Amino acid sequence: SQQGEEDPQALSIQEGENATMNCSYKTSINNLQWYRQNSGRGLVHLILIRSNEREKHSGRLRVTLDTSKKSSSLLITASRAADTASYFCATAASNDYKLSFGAGTTVTVRA
Amino acid sequence: GAGVSQSPSNKVTEKGKDVELRCDPISGHTALYWYRQRLGQGLEFLIYFQGNSAPDKSGLPSDRFSAERTGESVSTLTIQRTQQEDSAVYLCASSLRMGNPVGETQYFGPGTRLLVL
Repeated sequence: SQQGEEDPQALSIQEGENATMNCSYKTSINNLQWYRQNSGRGLVHLILIRSNEREKHSGRLRVTLDTSKKSSSLLITASRAADTASYFCATAASNDYKLSFGAGTTVTVRA
Repeated sequence: GAGVSQSPSNKVTEKGKDVELRCDPISGHTALYWYRQRLGQGLEFLIYFQGNSAPDKSGLPSDRFSAERTGESVSTLTIQRTQQEDSAVYLCASSLRMGNPVGETQYFGPGTRLLVL
């Protein structure tokens, strides 16, 4: 079963706008990761945030983690057409090596 | 350096036939993972390898699925007597090592798109 659930399922924005998507999970985690997938192919790792971290930045990406609410958010600032993709959150449980993925958020950036 | 590679990129087969999917992980990565992704869905974990051993096969959907890894490198996922519900993208990932208490990044291959007619 999938542990993470992304919200919204789909998002359409204008180039230059910010895109925000959320992820909720159910069990205690060791870390949470965000991945991007283009055209249903391989996933590209974007960012990893550990359970003792609250916020992390990487370029135009900002990830927050609230372990009390079991939720995370991914913000893409100043979006570009190339950001069009599906975004997945994946969690690694405290005593597990496996990643559990949500169903993803499909982001479309209109030029 | 080279990333994770998978072959074939696409595979069309007839129901009842066997298929073999190959994964070449990043050199030096001891952990290797197989996932399945059905259309419009997230990834389902199938199996992982630490070295050549597969300590956890619990994600394999049925006994028609098997996997092996040799030389702590190449892995093969075999699906016997394929069924239409096996149609999906099969993704392989590798990571440097398993058991890091703070987790680690998995690097994914491009996947094999399997269609069972």
